[in-house]
Amino acid sequence: ETGVTQTPRHLVMGMTNKKSLKCEQHLGHNAMYWYKQSAKKPLELMFVYNFKEQTENNSVPSRFSPECPNSSHLFLHLHTLQPEDSALYLCASSQDPSASYEQYFGPGTRLTVT
Amino acid sequence: QKEVEQDPGPLSVPEGAIVSLNCTYSNSAFQYFMWYRQYSRKGPELLMYTYSSGNKEDGRFTAQVDKSSKYISLFIRDSQPSDSATYLCAMRGNQFYFGTGTSLTVIP
Repeated sequence: ETGVTQTPRHLVMGMTNKKSLKCEQHLGHNAMYWYKQSAKKPLELMFVYNFKEQTENNSVPSRFSPECPNSSHLFLHLHTLQPEDSALYLCASSQDPSASYEQYFGPGTRLTVT
Repeated sequence: QKEVEQDPGPLSVPEGAIVSLNCTYSNSAFQYFMWYRQYSRKGPELLMYTYSSGNKEDGRFTAQVDKSSKYISLFIRDSQPSDSATYLCAMRGNQFYFGTGTSLTVIP
């Protein structure tokens, strides 16, 4: 595997379900990110992890819970989501969150909340 | 006021045309200016970046930054059907800020 991988690629869940999104980067980067991409809206930064430590939480509702066990893996735990949470969730990584100009993105997980 | 403004399009051009994509921004502290390309069902990939003001050329692609006007552009010469994608501008301050993306279709 190369680059940034995400699983699953598609997910349909009910509002009472609990599910997790997984991201893995094979680039040796130190920082990982979760973004939400909705139609006609800019990418919304959700969480930033630098060397496994959360450094950014952009007022994300508590029904989204991130976990970063090491610099290569990032999870997004989902519970009691709302239909407006349906979107493409993108994971990204970069070498250094404070100095890097480039982020590498995964293919995303298309989430539908019913 | 949004940090970054980008016309979502859609933009449709014939093959061979010159395409101009633009973004404006509000934060004068931005130093890095990037263009990402996103194909359908894929994540964004970095196409070009520019540090501070000026032009940068890479093959058929030219990125321009005008910091005095807080305006950036991406030009695509001799556009190809394979250029059909969504183009997102992005800027770097204390974090990354993205535009909404412009959907481009190049018609053969």
